[in-house]
Amino acid sequence: NAGVTQTPKFQVLKTGQSMTLQCAQDMNHNSMYWYRQDPGMGLRLIYYSASEGTTDKGEVPNGYNVSRLNKREFSLRLESAAPSQTSVYFCASSGLAGGPGDTQYFGPGTRLTVL
Amino acid sequence: GQSLEQPSEVTAVEGAIVQINCTYQTSGFYGLSWYQQHDGGAPTFLSYNALDGLEETGRFSSFLSRSDSYGYLLLQELQMKDSASYFCAVSGSSASKIIFGSGTRLSIRP
Repeated sequence: NAGVTQTPKFQVLKTGQSMTLQCAQDMNHNSMYWYRQDPGMGLRLIYYSASEGTTDKGEVPNGYNVSRLNKREFSLRLESAAPSQTSVYFCASSGLAGGPGDTQYFGPGTRLTVL
Repeated sequence: GQSLEQPSEVTAVEGAIVQINCTYQTSGFYGLSWYQQHDGGAPTFLSYNALDGLEETGRFSSFLSRSDSYGYLLLQELQMKDSASYFCAVSGSSASKIIFGSGTRLSIRP
């Protein structure tokens, strides 16, 4: 089991460029999440998907779009990158049932710099 | 809205006990979780409380008081490897939507 995988691990973009962060899980989890973590800060929820075919906004969705491609994969897209989006992005998945007590399993993160 | 408060930094001595507090405000409440994150790493799950009381997992325990909107993480027999950031997180308005606190950085002295 690979758990939660993310690609790429590192990325540098210029302002205005677009890119897609990929996330996949092999634990048959229903729920998947995208967070960003700024230096010395906690994790802020960008978008989540409680089940295949559904997505919902989190705390900081502006400037991002997501796609729940299938049960395994949940991608995050930056259409026009801005320096304020420089951050570490974590994908996570949880639970067979997707309930609040389910452990969230995190990927290793993508370190994104926007110049 | 939802908000969580926890101390930004705590320092403790190896072998001692430390408590990290978390207070929260949410429109609804399902449960309080704790996560550990080492520098440069990904968060990892430690514990979850849905009901009042103490949950114990080895050297780590977590407590919840729903009436006080308060919880804490207790770490016993501290080891140098416990130096990390600790985050509390609540499931509030939606069962699947989990909001994290800003984290407590725990530094351990020999």
